[in-house]
Amino acid sequence: EAGVTQFPSHSVIEKGQTVTLRCDPISGHDNLYWYRRVMGKEIKFLLHFVKESKQDESGMPNNRFLAERTGGTYSTLKVQPAELEDSGVYFCASSQMRGNEQFFGPGTRLTVL
Amino acid sequence: AQSVTQLDSQVPVFEEAPVELRCNYSSSVSVYLFWYVQYPNQGLQLLLKYLSGSTLVESINGFEAEFNKSQTSFHLRKPSVHISDTAEYLCAVSALIGGKLIFGQGTELSVKP
Repeated sequence: EAGVTQFPSHSVIEKGQTVTLRCDPISGHDNLYWYRRVMGKEIKFLLHFVKESKQDESGMPNNRFLAERTGGTYSTLKVQPAELEDSGVYFCASSQMRGNEQFFGPGTRLTVL
Repeated sequence: AQSVTQLDSQVPVFEEAPVELRCNYSSSVSVYLFWYVQYPNQGLQLLLKYLSGSTLVESINGFEAEFNKSQTSFHLRKPSVHISDTAEYLCAVSALIGGKLIFGQGTELSVKP
């Protein structure tokens, strides 16, 4: 069974540009989560999808961040325009509908210059 | 709201020595507790979890953690560590099954020969 995959693994962009991160959850997992880790800080929750619906987006930092989950399958997280403080590692995780274990992807390292 | 504190950012230890990684949490409601491990250049993997029942939980690779409600702690222990245990260990809590995870700052365990 394939795990959670994320693309790209690394992205380096300039301030003001747009970046889109993609997450493919484990097949059949209805729950999908986005987290972010800024260097030197703890991993912080961004948002949670149940199928295609946003269940909890309380962790989204501001309206420069837009998350979508088309058809309840893969998800994208767009940052537009990117700022220096957006740099960090963005993790995606997925779990079964009533599952208590979140399976994490390898993360996307975003660097904003 | 919940919070997690991992007091030790780095723990150096010699091979075959015992180790304890501390985790304390704060919450006004009952929580579920997790330890994740991140090996170098890999994603997060669930090490063990406490949902209910026995307060002592064990992993397949010799780690154990004990839920102490009165001290609001979930410390991770191993009686004899190996070089291969070198990794970052992250404690997390969740107020809901399937809900967002709140992480601590992480503890870097470095096992030396």
